[in-house]
Amino acid sequence: AQSVAQPEDQVNVAEGNPLTVKCTYSVSGNPYLFWYVQYPNRGLQFLLKYITGDNLVKGSYGFEAEFNKSQTSFHLKKPSALVSDSALYFCAVRDGTGRRALTFGSGTRLQVQP
Amino acid sequence: DTEVTQTPKHLVMGMTNKKSLKCEQHMGHRAMYWYKQKAKKPPELMFVYSYEKLSINESVPSRFSPECPNSSLLNLHLHALQPEDSALYLCASRGSKAGPYTGELFFGEGSRLTVL
Repeated sequence: AQSVAQPEDQVNVAEGNPLTVKCTYSVSGNPYLFWYVQYPNRGLQFLLKYITGDNLVKGSYGFEAEFNKSQTSFHLKKPSALVSDSALYFCAVRDGTGRRALTFGSGTRLQVQP
Repeated sequence: DTEVTQTPKHLVMGMTNKKSLKCEQHMGHRAMYWYKQKAKKPPELMFVYSYEKLSINESVPSRFSPECPNSSLLNLHLHALQPEDSALYLCASRGSKAGPYTGELFFGEGSRLTVL
């Protein structure tokens, strides 16, 4: 069965500094990987995805993610954090059994300090 | 802005009440989902409808009853719920158009349910 792990419950970073939110995955077959962001009392917003192709994927709001097959990782990155980036971030993997659903990691709370 | 609309945004109900959550999308997507999210936890899959037919039921208790009247609408009927069912209920949709299937879901803002 597929799974995704986010090892950090919270990441703290100062505004203007680069940020990284970590994600590792376990799937059989080719991974389809996603990042979502959730602001308080809101739904999930799609940020970016990796399906195939370049290992560096660019997404919304200046976020990007680096796919590393050998390390089975898909870390979310941003060169310069904003206070408004403070939110809950979820990594997700597409179900590889054909069920066409997403399995989410436990989430990482990003806190950007001014 | 989201193209998946959920109503109501907030719902408080007693354990003997019957209520419904509604979800609507006009993106032409043919797969729709219900997820349940407890505070500070990831969303958990409940149901999936594909082409208006129930394709996945994640062993959800029968007090939750999904319905897909047409390709744009998804309902979740609630009856005899328990306080532990209090959560944010998220609806999502996925496109099934020609081309490679990539799998991202588009979520609504959710319905926050409180069971007293």
